[in-house]
Amino acid sequence: QSALTQPASVSGSLGQSITISCTGTSNDVGGYNYVSWYQHHPGKVPKLIIYSVTSRPSGVPDRFSASKSGNTASLTISELQAEDEADYYCSSYVSGSSPYVFGTGTQVTVL
Amino acid sequence: EVQLVESGGGLVQPGGSLRLSCAASGLTLSHYEMNWVRQRPGRGLEWVAYTSSTGRTIYYSNSVKGRFTISRDNANNLLFLQLNNLRVEDTATYYCAKEPGGYRFDTWGQGTLVNVSS
Repeated sequence: QSALTQPASVSGSLGQSITISCTGTSNDVGGYNYVSWYQHHPGKVPKLIIYSVTSRPSGVPDRFSASKSGNTASLTISELQAEDEADYYCSSYVSGSSPYVFGTGTQVTVL
Repeated sequence: EVQLVESGGGLVQPGGSLRLSCAASGLTLSHYEMNWVRQRPGRGLEWVAYTSSTGRTIYYSNSVKGRFTISRDNANNLLFLQLNNLRVEDTATYYCAKEPGGYRFDTWGQGTLVNVSS
């Protein structure tokens, strides 16, 4: 199974908004509403911030929002803060015998 | 507080074996599907293996199929990953991750480092 495609890096200034894309196929992102997003500060534990395409776990700020169109999912971080600087990964269910796939990861830099 | 704690990582030669453990506390492991996810140095997250709550359904990534075995001991709240015929490219931090349904990982352990080197 091939990794979902994300931009390697995205940057934005404090207070601005950024969007990270996650492109797959009709066998994963496009075919199912099981896209998740994870925030990973290096050396720390990955944290679930979005599931089922648009849902936020309790405790995740509403500055984090997500959507999907066709085979591409997107994560938007509004009102960018210093602590948002981290790596972000999308993940999706994929049809077949290996049912999970992560994206290639995006490093977010807050300028 | 729900907590997952991995152990069993270390330095091993190519072709060798290791058994990773994941101890769960603050939850009843038998209620949940569980997964192993790894991160190779300088690389992204990679899903490795899945087990249903009973252990009857298991999936592996193509990169580890036939070499790794996931299992669980629900009576003792433990998850395992047996790593055999290890390769240099298996060097990674291995995380256990709880799945509450819906193909998402809502709780992660702190990870255990496996270093395959001669």
